Amino acid sequence: AQSVAQPEDQVNVAEGNPLTVKCTYSVSGNPYLFWYVQYPNRGLQFLLKYITGDNLVKGSYGFEAEFNKSQTSFHLKKPSALVSDSALYFCAVRAPMIKAAGNKLTFGGGTRVLVKP
Amino acid sequence: EAQVTQNPRYLITVTGKKLTVTCSQNMNHEYMSWYRQDPGLGLRQIYYSMNVEVTDKGDVPEGYKVSRKEKRNFPLILESPSPNQTSLYFCASSSTGKSYYEQYFGPGTRLTVT
Repeated sequence: AQSVAQPEDQVNVAEGNPLTVKCTYSVSGNPYLFWYVQYPNRGLQFLLKYITGDNLVKGSYGFEAEFNKSQTSFHLKKPSALVSDSALYFCAVRAPMIKAAGNKLTFGGGTRVLVKP
Repeated sequence: EAQVTQNPRYLITVTGKKLTVTCSQNMNHEYMSWYRQDPGLGLRQIYYSMNVEVTDKGDVPEGYKVSRKEKRNFPLILESPSPNQTSLYFCASSSTGKSYYEQYFGPGTRLTVT
């Protein structure tokens, strides 16, 4: 069975400072990894994904994430946080098997990011 | 515009009163799923469908039903809702093509069962 852990319920950061949201995963085989963001009263918005290739992936809104196979981690980063980045962030993993449960994603519990001016 | 729509967006109901949450996608996607979101638990898959008339249980299917009579629609049915089904529900769809791993999520339905 696959699982995702987001060890921090909340991350507080000052505007302009680097932002990191941690994620570790467990899955059989090579993982497909994703980050989604949820703003208040909104659905999930896709930020970025790692499928294969370069371990550093770049996504929307200046976010990037680094895939580390040995540490089974996929931390989300942004060099300079904005107040508008305040939201709920979810890490998710999909098993590599084709047609796996309708492309089921297994999500972490979410990390709330609060960026203060 | 490519999108997944859900209705209603907000629903307050009483225990035992049957309800249906609709989901529709306009991308001709084969795969569709329902998830529920609960604090600290992230999103968990309730049911999924691989195509018309092909559905199966996800991780938390108890108390829910689904149907897939048309490719674009995937309603979630609660025959006898209970308070523990109070949650935020998301419908998602994806294709079997080259970008099959990309999921598109609806805006969510917040359900309260009293």
